[in-house]
Amino acid sequence: DAKTTQPPSMDCAEGRAANLPCNHSTISGNEYVYWYRQIHSQGPQYIIHGLKNNETNEMASLIITEDRKSSTLILPHATLRDTAVYYCIVRVGGATNKLIFGTGTLLAVQP
Amino acid sequence: GAVVSQHPSRVICKSGTSVKIECRSLDFQATTMFWYRQFPKKSLMLMATSNEGSKATYEQGVEKDKFLINHASLTLSTLTVTSAHPEDSSFYICSAGESSGANVLTFGAGSRLTVL
Repeated sequence: DAKTTQPPSMDCAEGRAANLPCNHSTISGNEYVYWYRQIHSQGPQYIIHGLKNNETNEMASLIITEDRKSSTLILPHATLRDTAVYYCIVRVGGATNKLIFGTGTLLAVQP
Repeated sequence: GAVVSQHPSRVICKSGTSVKIECRSLDFQATTMFWYRQFPKKSLMLMATSNEGSKATYEQGVEKDKFLINHASLTLSTLTVTSAHPEDSSFYICSAGESSGANVLTFGAGSRLTVL
């Protein structure tokens, strides 16, 4: 079962930052926080992941609270192409450990 | 970066026939691959874990005789939907991570199966 809670939907204006929250209050010490997104009728796309430190890459930033019970994915300048379902997943790292998807957040970027 | 390829991207078949979907890791080796299915407007549901050289591990409620998984090499896993029925129509997606310990799983583009 998914161990994260996300709002079902959010809106964001084009060009503004999109901040997507995720609660994972039962996260274990060896579990990472992963973010994927799925644009309609495509396979999920990896965005970013982190263990306890904040992370940034060319797509997004990930802010993890000190107690690791929640996190926020930040898309700094949202575009229409960022409209997608965003999934926050906690998972033990490694190639053999499965990803269990919850219901995610549908982010609609408005022009 | 890691690339996972699925084939076919779309397939239409008649009820009662079997359909095979391939999942390939193009530039890395994967001892483990994962198969998901997704219904319209729903999230991805993990069906099974495909293990190279051994039997797949199926999630609760997934019929192993219905969804045959073969992981014949370090770069190829196949999902065969046997005796397909209209209710098997779905979006099937695979994912894999590099065996040497990658933390990131890469997903294929998915295969849309329509059973008439």
